[in-house]
Amino acid sequence: AQKVTQAQTEISVVEKEDVTLDCVYETRDTTYYLFWYKQPPSGELVFLIRRNSFDEQNEISGRYSWNFQKSTSSFNFTITASQVVDSAVYFCALSEAPNNAGNMLTFGGGTRLMVKP
Amino acid sequence: DSGVTQTPKHLITATGQRVTLRCSPRSGDLSVYWYQQSLDQGLQFLIQYYNGEERAKGNILERFSAQQFPDLHSELNLSSLELGDSALYFCASSVDGAGGHTDTQYFGPGTRLTVL
Repeated sequence: AQKVTQAQTEISVVEKEDVTLDCVYETRDTTYYLFWYKQPPSGELVFLIRRNSFDEQNEISGRYSWNFQKSTSSFNFTITASQVVDSAVYFCALSEAPNNAGNMLTFGGGTRLMVKP
Repeated sequence: DSGVTQTPKHLITATGQRVTLRCSPRSGDLSVYWYQQSLDQGLQFLIQYYNGEERAKGNILERFSAQQFPDLHSELNLSSLELGDSALYFCASSVDGAGGHTDTQYFGPGTRLTVL
């Protein structure tokens, strides 16, 4: 069975600090997909990134970067120079890709990030 | 804006009642997913439909049912409501979702259900 663990339930930083959100996953499949979503105070879920298990290259998008390490089953998310607008709950999610068996996402418990001015 | 629409935005009802939540996927998306977000259970997958057919089932109660119509919109029906059903219900859609790979799921704004 697939499982996602976000051990940090809440993180508080001061604006301009860098912050890393941890995500550890469990799966028996060799083919799987990892995602990060952001849930701001308004409540919607905003897609940030999708990564498949065969692509371990780290990715950078502006102030956001992701570090995927299969050896430790981790997919960590770093925000550089955090801003107040980054305050939100961040979810890591996993989807296995079995044939014809659907594409459900299994979410971690989320990490609430508070960025103070 | 993800392109996924959900109505209503808020719903307040009483125990024992039945409600219907509606979702319209992004244009061109064939799969629709329903998720429940509650304080104690977190974000949980309920059910997936692909091009009108049920594709995968998660922790969906027997009191809950869903369907996807020919125009690809979907409805989630919740009956015999209990206090514990109060939650935020999300709909998501993806281009495919037929299995073998996972497309990105884009989420609607959610319907907040309060059962009194």
